[in-house]
Amino acid sequence: DAGITQSPRHKVTETGTPVTLRCHQTENHRYMYWYRQDPGHGLRLIHYSYGVKDTDKGEVSDGYSVSRSKTEDFLLTLESATSSQTSVYFCAISDRDSTGELFFGEGSRLTVL
Amino acid sequence: GESVGLHLPTLSVQEGDNSIINCAYSNSASDYFIWYKQESGKGPQFIIDIRSNMDKRQGQRVTVLLNKTVKHLSLQIAATQPGDSAVYFCAGREAGTALIFGKGTTLSVSS
Repeated sequence: DAGITQSPRHKVTETGTPVTLRCHQTENHRYMYWYRQDPGHGLRLIHYSYGVKDTDKGEVSDGYSVSRSKTEDFLLTLESATSSQTSVYFCAISDRDSTGELFFGEGSRLTVL
Repeated sequence: GESVGLHLPTLSVQEGDNSIINCAYSNSASDYFIWYKQESGKGPQFIIDIRSNMDKRQGQRVTVLLNKTVKHLSLQIAATQPGDSAVYFCAGREAGTALIFGKGTTLSVSS
């Protein structure tokens, strides 16, 4: 299994609070991604990174920000969590952009009350 | 942009049968497709991929077929086993863009 660790794995928070999810990899892969998974929507890309300090928006980026100060860490921040951001969040990594073989983490379940 | 969808949200088969999971896509410029398997409580795992210059690709007990004329791809699983029970996602992309995932088909295998 690819060395990807997501933390926390489970979190319950209240509307309006900030939340940061962390993705840590030990594979030295260049590309990192954050997806959210919701019933009826499959996996939707939030943000991705193609290198240290290089990030770009995905299809559902509103309400989220990311940072990548080191190759191994990709942080997803919800500045002010809303109930619509209740979801399971997956981090994924890839060593090249020419294929789609992503290696996924185990997911972080976030509940916003 | 791309949209990717699956024809059936659920599929139930008997152990030993062959399974076929279908997927349609909208973007004729998509040049790469991939199938993932997701077991309960885990992240998706790569199964097999195919580029648009191919019609068929085989792996271990799995085959992916691509029909660019009707923008359709399918995943065939031979001799389905209980361990194949999972949610299966197809995804596609146009060169230089991110993968777009379909909504998933839940495969249930009964013994």
